[in-house]
Amino acid sequence: DAMVIQNPRYQVTQFGKPVTLSCSQTLNHNVMYWYQQKSSQAPKLLFHYYDKDFNNEADTPDNFQSRRPNTSFCFLDIRSPGLGDAAMYLCATSSVGGSPLHFGNGTRLTVT
Amino acid sequence: DAKTTQPPSMDCAEGRAANLPCNHSTISGNEYVYWYRQIHSQGPQYIIHGLKNNETNEMASLIITEDRKSSTLILPHATLRDTAVYYCIAGGGTASKLTFGTGTRLQVTL
Repeated sequence: DAMVIQNPRYQVTQFGKPVTLSCSQTLNHNVMYWYQQKSSQAPKLLFHYYDKDFNNEADTPDNFQSRRPNTSFCFLDIRSPGLGDAAMYLCATSSVGGSPLHFGNGTRLTVT
Repeated sequence: DAKTTQPPSMDCAEGRAANLPCNHSTISGNEYVYWYRQIHSQGPQYIIHGLKNNETNEMASLIITEDRKSSTLILPHATLRDTAVYYCIAGGGTASKLTFGTGTRLQVTL
C-alpha cells in the first residue's frame, strides 16, 4: 500500500546532540510537511516543502532544519535538541489543490 | 487558515450516532473543511473533507451549512474504536498547509 513511513518510531538523543528524523513516501505527492506534537496538544506545523520550495513557519525555531533531497524523502534535523523539543514529530504529504494530508505514525523523540 | 472552534469533549453511546460540531466563521471561499482523528500514539487519520456540498464516505458524513460558517461530522454508528480526538480544520485550497485546532475528545461508551 502507498504510504508515509517514518523511522524510527522512537528516538532518544542527548541534550545538545544533533538528531535527524526521516520520512519517506510512496504516494508521489508534491508537498511534504513536518509537524511537532507535544503531549496533550494539537499538531503544530513547523515547515513544509512544495516540491523543492521550502516554506518555514514564522515561529519555528532556527534549531529546526529540513532537507528534501528528492520527491520521496524528507528529513528533519534538530541541531541542538533541548528538553523542550521532546515531542512526537509527524510527517505528512499531500498533492495540491485541496487534497487531504496523509500522515505517518510519527517519531517520538526523547531528550535526555 | 481559518480558525476553528470545537467543544473540548463529547460522549456517545456505542451504536448511536456521534455528531461533532465545528465552527469556522472566518473560512474563506477557497478553503475546505477537513476532519481528522487521532488515536493515542498514532498519526492523524484522514476522515473526510468538503468545500460546499455535504459529503459521505464509508467512515462518516460531513454536513456543511449553507453559509459555510460551521459543519458537523457524523459517525452514524459509533463503536468503541471511534474513541479518539477529532480535529476540524478549515484550510487548504491554494495554500495547501493545514493548521490544527484543539480538537474534540470523543469518548464512546458501552
